[in-house]
Amino acid sequence: GENVEQHPSTLSVQEGDSAVIKCTYSDSASNYFPWYKQELGKRPQLIIDIRSNVGEKKDQRIAVTLNKTAKHFSLHITETQPEDSAVYFCAANNNNDMRFGAGTRLTVKP
Amino acid sequence: DAGVIQSPRHEVTEMGQEVTLRCKPISGHDYLFWYRQTMMRGLELLIYFNNNVPIDDSGMPEDRFSAKMPNASFSTLKIQPSEPRDSAVYFCASSYSGGGGGLGEQFFGPGTRLTVL
Repeated sequence: GENVEQHPSTLSVQEGDSAVIKCTYSDSASNYFPWYKQELGKRPQLIIDIRSNVGEKKDQRIAVTLNKTAKHFSLHITETQPEDSAVYFCAANNNNDMRFGAGTRLTVKP
Repeated sequence: DAGVIQSPRHEVTEMGQEVTLRCKPISGHDYLFWYRQTMMRGLELLIYFNNNVPIDDSGMPEDRFSAKMPNASFSTLKIQPSEPRDSAVYFCASSYSGGGGGLGEQFFGPGTRLTVL
């Protein structure tokens, strides 16, 4: 089955700096890669996603890149703000079987 | 739309008791997922349904766990008998495939925090 690895497990940045979170997956049949943000005590919420026929996608300060050959994808947050502090999960989805990474706890220091 | 609704939000029970978690997906969504989240194991997919039919239950930890979806607007996850290691947050999520079996965004419910003493 699919195995998703996510790094780093914790990330601390200064407000205004960029943050990058990386994930790798094992199943080449996976074709949908969402990223979720989960604030403490709340539900995961989708922040951006990318499909396997696209290499890069951007939404304001957030961007995701996908390298299908290497089976890895990354989340980039620019101009970080304190409200970006949360746990971020990547996921790889093959035919609705979604596997999540272990999560990255991002702290943005004011 | 109220989003995905789960009940109860918190459940505290004693070992050996039966626990039933409930979920109402977003109207019109044709996929429903049950997840479990713990510090040790992260977010795990337990089972998912398509048009009320269970498609993959390979994530269900053991026979003590069962899930049903009697209609498009309701699903249950039952644990019988419950054990302390079942303590976790259980999320229900739903999505709309667009009718073509494609992958749509999964919308998560608020979760049920289960504590088994």
